[in-house]
Amino acid sequence: AQSVTQLGSHVSVSEGALVLLRCNYSSSVPPYLFWYVQYPNQGLQLLLKYTSAATLVKGINGFEAEFKKSETSFHLTKPSAHMSDAAEYFCAVVGGSGGSNYKLTFGKGTLLTVNP
Amino acid sequence: GAGVSQTPSNKVTEKGKYVELRCDPISGHTALYWYRQSLGQGPEFLIYFQGTGAADDSGLPNDRFFAVRPEGSVSTLKIQRTERGDSAVYLCASSPDRDQPQHFGDGTRLSIL
Repeated sequence: AQSVTQLGSHVSVSEGALVLLRCNYSSSVPPYLFWYVQYPNQGLQLLLKYTSAATLVKGINGFEAEFKKSETSFHLTKPSAHMSDAAEYFCAVVGGSGGSNYKLTFGKGTLLTVNP
Repeated sequence: GAGVSQTPSNKVTEKGKYVELRCDPISGHTALYWYRQSLGQGPEFLIYFQGTGAADDSGLPNDRFFAVRPEGSVSTLKIQRTERGDSAVYLCASSPDRDQPQHFGDGTRLSIL
């Protein structure tokens, strides 16, 4: 079965600093990969998705992620953090070996705090 | 346009009671999904509908959980004889078809006392 590992349940950065949130997946066959953001008491909002086109994916709010097959990684980055980026971020996969093409498998999430 | 709508936003009930959670997907989306998010965890898949039929209910934890989508639009997740361990946020998502990105509602926070 698919699994997703998000290293670091909590990441704290200063406003204006680089944001790096890590995600590794388990499949030997590249799946589709997603990053979602969840603000308090809200549902999940899609930030970006990788679907086997360009390996560097640009999303909303200045976020981007790079798919690296050799490292089975899909880390999320943003050059300069804003206070409004404080939220929980989830990496998710669908497809790949042992996975369906509709059932999202999520990591446990990374809580991002941004300090003034 | 309107997103995925879930009602109620919060539900508090006593152990042993029956609850229904409603999901109104984005108009025209044929695929509908339910996930459960426990505290400190990522969402976990419960069930997937394609149209009116449950194409995959492998994530339902036991037979106390049931979901329907009789007209291929609104879906209801039903939980019988609720237990304290059922307390979680129940998220609904929809997509135009099963291999398209899923759009999530704000969830129903269920608390079993």
